[in-house]
Amino acid sequence: DAKTTQPPSMDCAEGRAANLPCNHSTISGNEYVYWYRQIHSQGPQYIIHGLKNNETNEMASLIITEDRKSSTLILPHATLRDTAVYYCIVRVGGTSYGKLTFGQGTILTVHP
Amino acid sequence: NAGVMQNPRHLVRRRGQEARLRCSPMKGHSHVYWYRQLPEEGLKFMVYLQKENIIDESGMPKERFSAEFPKEGPSILRIQQVVRGDSAAYFCASSPRYSGSWSDTQYFGPGTRLTVL
Repeated sequence: DAKTTQPPSMDCAEGRAANLPCNHSTISGNEYVYWYRQIHSQGPQYIIHGLKNNETNEMASLIITEDRKSSTLILPHATLRDTAVYYCIVRVGGTSYGKLTFGQGTILTVHP
Repeated sequence: NAGVMQNPRHLVRRRGQEARLRCSPMKGHSHVYWYRQLPEEGLKFMVYLQKENIIDESGMPKERFSAEFPKEGPSILRIQQVVRGDSAAYFCASSPRYSGSWSDTQYFGPGTRLTVL
């Protein structure tokens, strides 16, 4: 699976959009971008994933660049409860089930 | 739909005892993964199982650790003769049976916190 690079920490004001970047310059054509978060030692929570098109769900939006070498997770209206470690993970989808490789992630702190 | 369930949530063992951690996947999921998070460290993959089969155990320590996912019942992660270094949070995740879709998503349980005295 491709390696990802994320900033170690970010701050965001409550109510504002949080934009979390991820670099995955060695991504392959059949690799998906997944985002998870872990709130204070709870189990990781799935947020969103995508292959090449931008995706949106009730939690967040995922913007993937045209060359797929980077992506941005957007939390449109961050709340204090969004304070967590956010992980960007790239892995092969389809028939290739297997492990998720977690990096260090980005510690997002949402402040009042 | 109930999520992934793990029990116990907290487990205390003395050195040399056995620890058994249980994971019930989400309904309809037939793939189970175990991950370990040591204190102040990241999540590390341990093992991937399907019903009655171990698919990938590349992250499992070679000794004292074993995992199973029987035809009936939960998946079990077993740690024999625990040592203090086994103290960690153990997370289970499940994903659905491959259905031809080009993506699968793993959903995590709340974890079991193992403390070895």
